[in-house]
Amino acid sequence: GIQVEQSPPDLILQEGANSTLRCNFSDSVNNLQWFHQNPWGQLINLFYIPSGTKQNGRLSATTVATERYSLLYISSSQTTDSGVYFCAARVRAGTALIFGKGTTLSVSS
Amino acid sequence: GAGVSQSPSNKVTEKGKDVELRCDPISGHTALYWYRQSLGQGLEFLIYFQGNSAPDKSGLPSDRFSAERTGGSVSTLTIQRTQQEDSAVYLCASSLAINHLKGTEAFFGQGTRLTVV
Repeated sequence: GIQVEQSPPDLILQEGANSTLRCNFSDSVNNLQWFHQNPWGQLINLFYIPSGTKQNGRLSATTVATERYSLLYISSSQTTDSGVYFCAARVRAGTALIFGKGTTLSVSS
Repeated sequence: GAGVSQSPSNKVTEKGKDVELRCDPISGHTALYWYRQSLGQGLEFLIYFQGNSAPDKSGLPSDRFSAERTGGSVSTLTIQRTQQEDSAVYLCASSLAINHLKGTEAFFGQGTRLTVV
């Protein structure tokens, strides 16, 4: 099945800093999503981005499907951005949405 | 409903008992997924439904785990003879059909935290 790898596993930032999270996947995909898991465990949808670029406020994401990677950009980070960021992908002919192991982000003031 | 609903939100059970976890997907979503997340870990895929059938149940960890979906809507995940290693958060998600032209974005419920004592 598809392999989804995220990097870095952990990231520590000062408030106001920018960061880039990476997601590599091993096969062609028809679904690529980024989630933020808050301290209460809820998975918040950030982007549905099987290809192209999207922006939402301080967050943006780019997926280069032909090169099998996606990037999540966080600008001017805030303490509320802390938590775990997951990338998940599904292959074109596959079924389940497979998750990477996540990037744990800690933003301090 | 407005979002994916799971019940109960918390369940404490004794080792050896059976438990049933319920997932009510977003109205109109034909695809439904179950995942398990152990403390501090990522999401482990368990089973996927398209309508009432389960084309992919490869993630079920043992024959103590089973799931069904009726009427293309509500799904129940059953764990028989629970063990302490079954303790985890069980998450359910739903989406439009896998190849829907409007896309296949998945939305998650709040999860059921299962503790086996």
